[in-house]
Amino acid sequence: SQTIHQWPATLVQPVGSPLSLECTVEGTSNPNLYWYRQAAGRGLQLLFYSVGIGQISSEVPQNLSASRPQDRQFILSSKKLLLSDSGFYLCAWGWGGGAEAFFGQGTRLTVV
Amino acid sequence: AQSVTQLDSQVPVFEEAPVELRCNYSSSVSVYLFWYVQYPNQGLQLLLKYLSGSTLVKGINGFEAEFNKSQTSFHLRKPSVHISDTAEYFCAVSGAGNQFYFGTGTSLTVIP
Repeated sequence: SQTIHQWPATLVQPVGSPLSLECTVEGTSNPNLYWYRQAAGRGLQLLFYSVGIGQISSEVPQNLSASRPQDRQFILSSKKLLLSDSGFYLCAWGWGGGAEAFFGQGTRLTVV
Repeated sequence: AQSVTQLDSQVPVFEEAPVELRCNYSSSVSVYLFWYVQYPNQGLQLLLKYLSGSTLVKGINGFEAEFNKSQTSFHLRKPSVHISDTAEYFCAVSGAGNQFYFGTGTSLTVIP
């Protein structure tokens, strides 16, 4: 069966520091991968998605970037965090074409 | 482009009463529709999905939803709620592409 791992679960970072959140999927090949951010009262905002290694689509221009160095690895990064980057970040995978997305347990990021 | 509107941000309901959580979507093409549930500080879990065929879809935990193309709606219902149904509920849409778009969520609170 497929599983998705996302870490760390919680993170407190100072403003201006870098960020790296990692997500890996097991038990499947060539999945679509997604990064979402969930801010209070604002639902889930799609940040990036990827259909293959090195292929990244950005939905919202902002202070973040994503990379997919391996088939089942998806990384969310920032060179300098802003206070507004605080939120709950969720990684997900899916097959597209009507199949559902499966979510990791999320990372609670607090920028101080 | 696709989008989802969840009309109610908070829905309080007494235990064993029925509930309906509303979702409307916007799309110029055929869509796939989903309802997810999120418990505090966790990822999202799929409740049910509509791909095609019967417009009444049954999911887990006694939930069901009805796809209404003319009204572009996909409302979630449960005839009798339990305390354990207290959670955040998200409606989502995807199309022929690989993106999933979520609504802002509805916080369901079941009152004893």
